[in-house]
Amino acid sequence: EAQVTQNPRYLITVTGKKLTVTCSQNMNHEYMSWYRQDPGLGLRQIYYSMNVEVTDKGDVPEGYKVSRKEKRNFPLILESPSPNQTSLYFCASSLLGYEQYFGPGTRLTVT
Amino acid sequence: ILNVEQSPQSLHVQEGDSTNFTCSFPSSNFYALHWYRWETAKSPEALFVMTLNGDEKKKGRISATLNTKEGYSYLYIKGSQPEDSATYLCAFRMDSSYKLIFGSGTRLLVRP
Repeated sequence: EAQVTQNPRYLITVTGKKLTVTCSQNMNHEYMSWYRQDPGLGLRQIYYSMNVEVTDKGDVPEGYKVSRKEKRNFPLILESPSPNQTSLYFCASSLLGYEQYFGPGTRLTVT
Repeated sequence: ILNVEQSPQSLHVQEGDSTNFTCSFPSSNFYALHWYRWETAKSPEALFVMTLNGDEKKKGRISATLNTKEGYSYLYIKGSQPEDSATYLCAFRMDSSYKLIFGSGTRLLVRP
């Protein structure tokens, strides 16, 4: 089944404790992206990647890192999470220029 | 700062009503306009990707039009059903970037 998977789905953590949210797709898509969704603000792009080893900042990259060492994986790293990074995170993938397929979302709470 | 605006923010209609809402985006350096449907507790799902001025796309009772010169797109739902209740998002992409900028969505509630 063609899909985008994210892990974990739910995470509660404390300020400053490094964490990684994984994202994987099995559709051989070149493009992958991370978004956060906050009430009243819609989806905001954090980082995106056009292919292996090619990444670029979205609108809200501060406090996040990404890497794209393999085509199927695009992990999101929070080196030192803070409470303002409490949010719902979505990973998405697509062929370049086409519609995006979204993962199920990861709800992160930073206390 | 690029701005993508959607109106109205929310809409309540009766089953069987037809409805439409608007996505406004910068008219310069246009590359593509995406529409997504997002049901509560689920992930956004793609409806359309539109690239050409004057483009019209249709999927069942949902259709969309695109005017890149004036910077807007309309999404129409004919004969709304309760299962159409969702947030409808549009996203804009410039021709010089792979960045996608989303509007904050129109929340549609269809009453039986």
